[in-house]
Amino acid sequence: KAGVTQTPRYLIKTRGQQVTLSCSPISGHRSVSWYQQTPGQGLQFLFEYFSETQRNKGNFPGRFSGRQFSNSRSEMNVSTLELGDSALYLCASSPGVAGDSGSYNEQFFGPGTRLTVL
Amino acid sequence: GDSVTQMEGPVTLSEEAFLTINCTYTATGYPSLFWYVQYPGEGLQLLLKATKADDKGSNKGFEATYRKETTSFHLEKGSVQVSDSAVYFCALSGLKIIFGKGTRLHILP
Repeated sequence: KAGVTQTPRYLIKTRGQQVTLSCSPISGHRSVSWYQQTPGQGLQFLFEYFSETQRNKGNFPGRFSGRQFSNSRSEMNVSTLELGDSALYLCASSPGVAGDSGSYNEQFFGPGTRLTVL
Repeated sequence: GDSVTQMEGPVTLSEEAFLTINCTYTATGYPSLFWYVQYPGEGLQLLLKATKADDKGSNKGFEATYRKETTSFHLEKGSVQVSDSAVYFCALSGLKIIFGKGTRLHILP
C-alpha cells in the first residue's frame, strides 16, 4: 500500500499571499488530520476531517482552513500568510475516528510540506 | 483536558548506553498510548503502542509499559545506536489524539 503523500514538499511564499497544501491518505483511510510543526511550539493540531466533515479543530485563526473530498483527499489553505506561518505542515491519515469505543486509530503520517514565508 | 508531558531534550548519550525518555499523561477514560519517532526530514512514524493498562509495547529494541497507577508510559532501550538519533513523541489517543512536545535524542559514536 502506498503511504500518505503530500504535495508540494517545499514551498516559498511571501507575506500576504495564500497557499494550498494537498494530502492523499492511504487507500481506504477516511480520516485526515493536519498538524503544524515548529521548533518553538512543537506539534500542534490544526483540524481533522472524516467523510468530508470537519470533526475536530485546533486553536488556530480562521486564516487556516481545510476541506476533504469524496475520495478522502484533503487540502488545507492558509490565507494572508504571516512570517510565523513558516513551519512543517504534516498530514496524517487513519482508518477511522472516535467510534463507539471513543478511541482513535493509529495515525500514519506523510513526509510533510515545508512552508517558508518571506 | 487531556495532556501529555514528556521530558525536555535534547538528550545526548553515547552508543550502547541505556535510554529512558519519561512520559506522563492526564486523561479521562482509558486512552491508548503511543510513541512516535521522527527522523530528520521525515514525518512521524509509529514506534510502539499500548492500548490498556499493564500492556507493554515493543519494537526495534524499544519498550514502554502502560502504567495506569502512575499515569506513565516511559520509553526505554537497553543499548542505543547512532541510528536511533531522532525526535521522539509520546501521544495519547482518547476522543482526540494529543502529542507531547517531543524529545530530541543525539547518540554519539
